[in-house]
Amino acid sequence: SSDVTQDPAVSVALGQTVRITCQGDSLRNYYASWYRQKPGQAPVLVIYADNNRPSGIPDRFSGSSSGNTASLTITGARAEDEADYYCNSRDSNGEDVLGPGTKVTVL
Amino acid sequence: EVKLVESGGGLVQPGRSLRLSCTASGFTFGDFALSWFRQAPGKGLEWVGFIRSKIHDGTTKYAASVKGRFSISRDDSKSIAYLQMNSLKIEDTAVYYCTRDRRNLLTSYYKDSWGQGTLVTVSS
Repeated sequence: SSDVTQDPAVSVALGQTVRITCQGDSLRNYYASWYRQKPGQAPVLVIYADNNRPSGIPDRFSGSSSGNTASLTITGARAEDEADYYCNSRDSNGEDVLGPGTKVTVL
Repeated sequence: EVKLVESGGGLVQPGRSLRLSCTASGFTFGDFALSWFRQAPGKGLEWVGFIRSKIHDGTTKYAASVKGRFSISRDDSKSIAYLQMNSLKIEDTAVYYCTRDRRNLLTSYYKDSWGQGTLVTVSS
């Protein structure tokens, strides 16, 4: 299966905006979904089909995509947003592709 | 409320087998595909495989790292999905999660519910 890449880590000041990106050829053909995982907890869906939020996810989370890149933006980051974030898509073989995760630190 | 509960994890020796269960409630189990993921200690998530719903032939896909050793099945009458793990290796040590899979567009797949996971430790 094809790979998708993510920056290993990013940091953001409290209340500021951070963008996490995911790159890979599969993203040209399939939408990305994003998952947040806090230490010791199961992942939680935060964005699907590029820019749709499940109920219960605050609107400071948004997504976008262009070409082979999908992005997750947190506008007005809070301390509770500190977590690992993973992007997920599909490849041409119909298999899942999962990014290596980005650790977001809120300063 | 959608709920997924994994069970069956534990300590197992290399080369042995183990079967995990994912028991679902709160939705019509047979209408959904289900996936398994895992996370080795201190590492990132890894996709293991999925099984489609019976209406989509119940076909399966697996990651290269487990293909030929792991298999996923489902019992819609009991609302349970299984992950059969054979020829286990030390590197299969991980927390295993099951997910409910959704599709809202032809090219949009996502996992809207995750279980809390079950720990599998492969060690002699």
